[in-house]
Amino acid sequence: QKEVEQNSGPLSVPEGAIASLNCTYSDRGSQSFFWYRQYSGKSPELIMFIYSNGDKEDGRFTAQLNKASQYVSLLIRDSQPSDSATYLCAVTPGYNKLIFGAGTRLAVHP
Amino acid sequence: SQTIHQWPATLVQPVGSPLSLECTVEGTSNPNLYWYRQAAGRGLQLLFYSVGIGQISSEVPQNLSASRPQDRQFILSSKKLLLSDSGFYLCAWSVIGGEAFFGQGTRLTVV
Repeated sequence: QKEVEQNSGPLSVPEGAIASLNCTYSDRGSQSFFWYRQYSGKSPELIMFIYSNGDKEDGRFTAQLNKASQYVSLLIRDSQPSDSATYLCAVTPGYNKLIFGAGTRLAVHP
Repeated sequence: SQTIHQWPATLVQPVGSPLSLECTVEGTSNPNLYWYRQAAGRGLQLLFYSVGIGQISSEVPQNLSASRPQDRQFILSSKKLLLSDSGFYLCAWSVIGGEAFFGQGTRLTVV
C-alpha cells in the first residue's frame, strides 16, 4: 500500500465549477497535511496546510481533514483556467519526513 | 526571509559520468532538508532527508548518495549515472512538521 494515494486524473471541470480533489494516507500517526500546486516544468508551491480535523478555508480553497478515515481533500470553488495544474497531497508520517502522493491533474475548461 | 538555491537548472550528462547537485538555504537555521526526484508525469519520490549536519536518511536504495557538510548545504551525488537517473530533481527545506519550500529544480537528462 502506498503511503499517500491520489487519483491521477485528469479531473476535468468547467470554469466556475467546484473541483474536488481527494487523498488518502496509510500512517494513522500522521500529523501534518499539505496541498501543493505544480505547473508543468515548475516546482511545487504550497496552497494550504491543515493539522486538525475539520475544514480550513482560504479564499477559494477549502481543505478538509478526517483523521479517523485517513482522508484529506481540497475543494476549489469558482474554478478558473489558471487553476489547471497538478495538485499534490503531502503528509508527514513522522515529523522529519514529508511524503507526497502522485498528484491529480486538474483541467479547467472555459 | 528564507530562500533556497538549487543549481544548475538543467544538466545533460553521459551514462557513467559522475553527478553533483548542490542546494543551499538562507535565512534559517537547522532546517530539515530533502531531495526528491520526479519522473516525467509522475509524483515526487523522496530520495533522502536530513535533520542535521552529517545525518542522512535514505528512502530508496539506488545509485545516488547525499551529504550535508554544513547546516544549510545539501548535496546529491552519484559516482556513475544510469539512464534511469534522468528526471527532475528537487531540493526542499522545512521546519519540523512544517511545509516544505522548494528550490527551482534541476532537470537531469542522462544520455
